Amino acid sequence: AQSVTQLGSHVSVSEGALVLLRCNYSSSVPPYLFWYVQYPNQGLQLLLKYTTGATLVKGINGFEAEFKKSETSFHLTKPSAHMSDAAEYFCAVSDSYNNDMRFGAGTRLTVKP
Amino acid sequence: GAGVSQTPSNKVTEKGKYVELRCDPISGHTALYWYRQSLGQGPEFLIYFQGTGAADDSGLPNDRFFAVRPEGSVSTLKIQRTERGDSAVYLCASSLGSWTANEQFFGPGTRLTVL
Repeated sequence: AQSVTQLGSHVSVSEGALVLLRCNYSSSVPPYLFWYVQYPNQGLQLLLKYTTGATLVKGINGFEAEFKKSETSFHLTKPSAHMSDAAEYFCAVSDSYNNDMRFGAGTRLTVKP
Repeated sequence: GAGVSQTPSNKVTEKGKYVELRCDPISGHTALYWYRQSLGQGPEFLIYFQGTGAADDSGLPNDRFFAVRPEGSVSTLKIQRTERGDSAVYLCASSLGSWTANEQFFGPGTRLTVL
C-alpha cells in the first residue's frame, strides 16, 4: 500500500531564508506525487505534482520539488520564504492503479519576520 | 468560476443522530472524492465517484457511512448513528476525468462535531 511520511510537523524559518519541507513515500508501483497547501479557513490547493518525465517540478508561488526515486523522496523547497507562505503543507501519493490519494500528516510552516 | 462548495460549514450533532453533508463539485467535473481530516492529520480517503457510481468506497470506515451522487453532480455523505469518533472535517474534492493524477480541487470542508 502507498504511504507518505512528512518529517517535521512544524518548521520555522526566517523571512528570506530557504524553505525545505521533507516528504518520503512508499509505493510498490511508479508513484504520482503531490504537494498541497492549506491556508487557514481555506481548502487545500495544489502547489505542484510529479507524474512522469522531468524529476524537478516547478509549482506556484516559487515552490519546487524533486522526485528522487533512489531516496523515495519528494522534498519541497523555496529559495526565499515570504510571510505569506505560512500555512500547512501536505505531501500526497497516488498511482495509476488506485483511486485513492494518501496524504501525509502535514507540516506547519511558520515564517518569522 | 465557482469552486467546490460544501454545506453546512459546521454541523454539531448528538451521538446517535443521523447527518447529511453536501458537496457541490465544479461544473463538468466527473470525478468526486470524499475525505475525512482529523485534528493534526492529513486527509484520509473515504470514497471516489466517477459519474454517478461509487468507483471505490474502500475508505469508508464502516457501514454507518454511505454516500450518493444520483445525477453525477452533487454528492451527499450520510452518516448514521453518529459516534464521537466521527468528529472531524469532511472534505470534498472534484477533478476533471478519471486519471488519478488530475488535480483535485478541494472544498472548504464541513466541520462535524458529535457531542
